[in-house]
Amino acid sequence: DTEVTQTPKHLVMGMTNKKSLKCEQHMGHRAMYWYKQKAKKPPELMFVYSYEKLSINESVPSRFSPECPNSSLLNLHLHALQPEDSALYLCASSQDQTAYNEQFFGPGTRLTVL
Amino acid sequence: QQQVKQSPQSLIVQKGGISIINCAYENTAFDYFPWYQQFPGKGPALLIAIRPDVSEKKEGRFTISFNKSAKQFSLHIMDSQPGDSATYFCAATSKTDSWGKLQFGAGTQVVVTP
Repeated sequence: DTEVTQTPKHLVMGMTNKKSLKCEQHMGHRAMYWYKQKAKKPPELMFVYSYEKLSINESVPSRFSPECPNSSLLNLHLHALQPEDSALYLCASSQDQTAYNEQFFGPGTRLTVL
Repeated sequence: QQQVKQSPQSLIVQKGGISIINCAYENTAFDYFPWYQQFPGKGPALLIAIRPDVSEKKEGRFTISFNKSAKQFSLHIMDSQPGDSATYFCAATSKTDSWGKLQFGAGTQVVVTP
C-alpha cells in the first residue's frame, strides 16, 4: 500500500470555526509532512514530523496546529483562519526525514475560508 | 527567494512531440534532483530523480539531463501524450540538509494537444 489518504476532500469554514484535517499512511513511514499549495504554485512546506515528534515548523501562524497521534496519523487543527488561508493542503510521508527519500503525497484537502 | 528557477511557465505541445522543461540552481550543495508530476485535483507524485554523479537518466519516455558545471537540469518528455498533460515541478535537496527539505521550482503546466 503506497497510498496517503486525506480527509475531508473539501472543507468550507468560516473565520470563527474550528476544524481539523486528517492524514493517514500505512507504509511504515516515520516522517510526515504538511504542505500548503496555492493555485498554480509549488507546494510550500509547513510542518515536518519525524518519529512522531515535530521537527520543523516553517514559521507557520499559530492558527494552524499540527498533531501526530501515532506513526500512521497526522492531523492539522485549524482555528480562526483568514480568507488568504484558502488553499490545497497536502500531506506527505517518507521513509524518514533524510534527503533522497521519496515523499509520497496525498490528494489534498481543498480548504475554503469564508 | 526561489532556490530553483524553472522555465517555461507553460508549454503546449502536439501529441508525439517533445516537451522540454528546464531548471537551474545556485546552491552547489544540492545533490538530489527529483521531478514531480501533478494532475489537477491530485497531489504531486515522484516521476523521476537524478543525482549529480550521472549526466542523464531515462525512465520510459521521460529523461532527465543534468549539467553539473552549468548547475542546470532538464526534463524531456518524448512522444508526448495527452495523458502527460499535467503540471511538472522540478526540485532539489541536499543530504547535508538535516531534514531533506525539497526546494521546488515554480512549476510548468504542460498541455499536450491531440
